[in-house]
Amino acid sequence: DAKTTQPPSMDCAEGRAANLPCNHSTISGNEYVYWYRQIHSQGPQYIIHGLKNNETNEMASLIITEDRKSSTLILPHATLRDTAVYYCIVFPRGGGGADGLTFGKGTHLIIQP
Amino acid sequence: NAGVTQTPKFRVLKTGQSMTLLCAQDMNHEYMYWYRQDPGMGLRLIHYSVGEGTTAKGEVPDGYNVSRLKKQNFLLGLESAAPSQTSVYFCASSLEWRALETQYFGPGTRLLVL
Repeated sequence: DAKTTQPPSMDCAEGRAANLPCNHSTISGNEYVYWYRQIHSQGPQYIIHGLKNNETNEMASLIITEDRKSSTLILPHATLRDTAVYYCIVFPRGGGGADGLTFGKGTHLIIQP
Repeated sequence: NAGVTQTPKFRVLKTGQSMTLLCAQDMNHEYMYWYRQDPGMGLRLIHYSVGEGTTAKGEVPDGYNVSRLKKQNFLLGLESAAPSQTSVYFCASSLEWRALETQYFGPGTRLLVL
């Protein structure tokens, strides 16, 4: 079973901020929150990750609640090319043995022109 | 810098046939991985390699073999294909062990076994 819960789909207008929520209420202390996206027929693409502090990079911002039980990925100015399935993952950075990546079903973000 | 490339992009096999999927990376990464992705599911790790000449089993290794004779290449073999191996196969490489932020994925190989 996936350790995260995300809405199945969301719409966002082009140029607006897209805010994608994720619940991970059973996250362990050594697990990071990672976000990936997968554009149709392509491989997964890393976006951002964090442990407990908010993070920002050139692609997105990540807001993690103080209790670490949920997070929000923010795409500040969504474009049509941001239409993809977005996956929130909790994973022990540098660990995890030989287990796979439990992506869950993700959120299908559709950017509307 | 091409990143991670995979060949072929798509293949149809009959049950019992064999084939090899090729993965190549030009980032000088030590770690390489083979995953499969099935509809509605995440990525399941098939095999991985922590360096040239070494391979190890992931969580779903049965029916697959791998080799890493050169650092930049990681081959996935199916000796006798079965319909249950119909899937999309992704190769990935990373600079650090399971540090996902350093992990890059290839474009995938779609395999259909009839």
